[in-house]
Amino acid sequence: DARVTQTPRHKVTEMGQEVTMRCQPILGHNTVFWYRQTMMQGLELLAYFRNRAPLDDSGMPKDRFSAEMPDATLATLKIQPSEPRDSAVYFCASGLVDRGRYNEQFFGPGTRLTVL
Amino acid sequence: KQEVTQIPAALSVPEGENLVLNCSFTDSAIYNLQWFRQDPGKGLTSLLLIQSSQREQTSGRLNASLDKSSGRSTLYIAASQPGDSATYLCAVSGAGNNRKLIWGLGTSLAVNP
Repeated sequence: DARVTQTPRHKVTEMGQEVTMRCQPILGHNTVFWYRQTMMQGLELLAYFRNRAPLDDSGMPKDRFSAEMPDATLATLKIQPSEPRDSAVYFCASGLVDRGRYNEQFFGPGTRLTVL
Repeated sequence: KQEVTQIPAALSVPEGENLVLNCSFTDSAIYNLQWFRQDPGKGLTSLLLIQSSQREQTSGRLNASLDKSSGRSTLYIAASQPGDSATYLCAVSGAGNNRKLIWGLGTSLAVNP
């Protein structure tokens, strides 16, 4: 049963601390997306990768957020330093681009981040 | 700039009713449109994906239609069940090199037994 996994599922931290969220995409998928969901803004794309290369991170605050794919089985999203306004649910999704065709995205269960 | 709107924001219906959820988008130059379901505290599940060249897609009791020229999509749910209660989100992907999804805020559906 292939699925996207995310760790941790919940994280409570204090303002100023570093937060690292991890995602394991579905094996064989070549695109990975990071989203943030809040009640007010809904879902926002933070960054996405294709074949491990970042294609678009325009939605990500560059001064404190960073996203990487050290290998094809791991994507990370890091916030340093964290702020209360970063409190949200962070979703990772993966998908397959096949001959230029973008297929559906499969979502992980999310990391619920609370910054006090 | 693409904007996606979903109406209504919330809907409550009795079990067995057929219902329609609406999604509208401002830029008709899209690559595809997806409907997702989100259960409370859970991730998103893709329900249907409609490519820009298609008019509709069906899966079980779900049927999604796409009218690019008018910037609209509908999700039709037949014979609704309490298990259909969830938030339904619509997302469109741009036609240019940037395929990122632009999301609506969702319709929260409650199907009452």
